[in-house]
Amino acid sequence: KNEVEQSPQNLTAQEGEFITINCSYSVGISALHWLQQHPGGGIVSLFMLSSGKKKHGRLIATINIQEKHSSLHITASHPRDSAVYICAVLYGGSQGNLIFGKGTKLSVKP
Amino acid sequence: KAGVTQTPRYLIKTRGQQVTLSCSPISGHRSVSWYQQTPGQGLQFLFEYFSETQRNKGNFPGRFSGRQFSNSRSEMNVSTLELGDSALYLCASSALSDRYGYTFGSGTRLTVV
Repeated sequence: KNEVEQSPQNLTAQEGEFITINCSYSVGISALHWLQQHPGGGIVSLFMLSSGKKKHGRLIATINIQEKHSSLHITASHPRDSAVYICAVLYGGSQGNLIFGKGTKLSVKP
Repeated sequence: KAGVTQTPRYLIKTRGQQVTLSCSPISGHRSVSWYQQTPGQGLQFLFEYFSETQRNKGNFPGRFSGRQFSNSRSEMNVSTLELGDSALYLCASSALSDRYGYTFGSGTRLTVV
């Protein structure tokens, strides 16, 4: 069983739709990251969470430490949001390692 | 400020050869970590260096090694290349004061033939 599970694996949406990507983990963590990877490989760090909720533009990330679960929401989705979204947990304290989910491939159609 | 720079961007090597990849972190960042991304395994942590010392290591064979220089630039080396080493290799840097924040490079795509 993977320590970090993401769902869904693939997601196709129409422009304007509200999107939710989920991440569940089984280990105690110090922090959780949401990453965005566009074709070509470059990764952008979207959020780092250790509790609660963060918002940046149309993106919202939440985490429930007790339930070991995080969600990434995209409001009013746009074709430029098409990318792979990866959940990563920081495991082992401030000097620990990142453990990654397999990613969710999002395609937003115009 | 300049981002994380990885060189080269693309590389083709033959089985059995060795390869060295380079990562220049953001100025002032002292932590550099390396990751391997393959279609089958996804992203996996290789190792992390801080102030020229390896601080953490993932579950990879000894053929994978790295080092960090006094200017925080880091190199990773893979010896005796295997076909399965074909992957995107990413590095990320973080500052001491922002240990939880990472900035990733664009990666080096290694193809072993």
